[in-house]
Amino acid sequence: EVQLVESGGGLVQPGRSLTLSCAASGFSSHDYALHWVRQAPGKGLEWVSGISWDSGTIAYADSVKGRFTVFRDNARNSLYLQMNSLRAEDTALYYCAKDRYSYYYYGIDVWGQGTTVTVSS
Amino acid sequence: QSALTQPASVSGSPGQSITISCTGTSSDVDAYNYVSWYQQHPGKAPKLMIYEVSNRPSGVPDRFSGSKSGNTASLTISGLQAEDEADYYCCSYTTSVVFGGGTKLTVL
Repeated sequence: EVQLVESGGGLVQPGRSLTLSCAASGFSSHDYALHWVRQAPGKGLEWVSGISWDSGTIAYADSVKGRFTVFRDNARNSLYLQMNSLRAEDTALYYCAKDRYSYYYYGIDVWGQGTTVTVSS
Repeated sequence: QSALTQPASVSGSPGQSITISCTGTSSDVDAYNYVSWYQQHPGKAPKLMIYEVSNRPSGVPDRFSGSKSGNTASLTISGLQAEDEADYYCCSYTTSVVFGGGTKLTVL
């Protein structure tokens, strides 16, 4: 079964850091681009970051640029999101997601169930 | 990276057809044929319904169709069914990726 499982979410104070992880199984994740997409409570989807299969192409939403870093470990079939200088507006459910192709963006055809990040003092 | 513009809500009766619009700019929807549509039921992860403007993934009913004209993409659902009631999001490539604000579809 094709699956993405996120972990690492939790409650964190403003200004602190947190790293999310995503474990892929059931497919060769190293063949595909991967994304992080978030959804604040009661709000719509917001694309956060994308990374190509070989980590050669990476992009970020303006709202997180300079604070978040995406990276992947193909040997471990894993994707990560290092989040620094967290703000209250970063509070959201964070989805790990797979692109249909090795570069983005051709459509996201697999989504995890998400991990919740809450930024609050 | 401004969000694509979608109507906040649309509604229709079972069996009817509805269309959801998604308006972007010359830098996203108009520039690339990489527009996708997602369906999201409450408490669930999104599901890909349309990719590359008008292509349906395996398993998506042919009642769902997509199109694009200039900077506006559209999702049409024909023969509305109760289970189609959900939130729908468009998404486009634009050197990065941008989602629309989402449209709540109510089946009356």
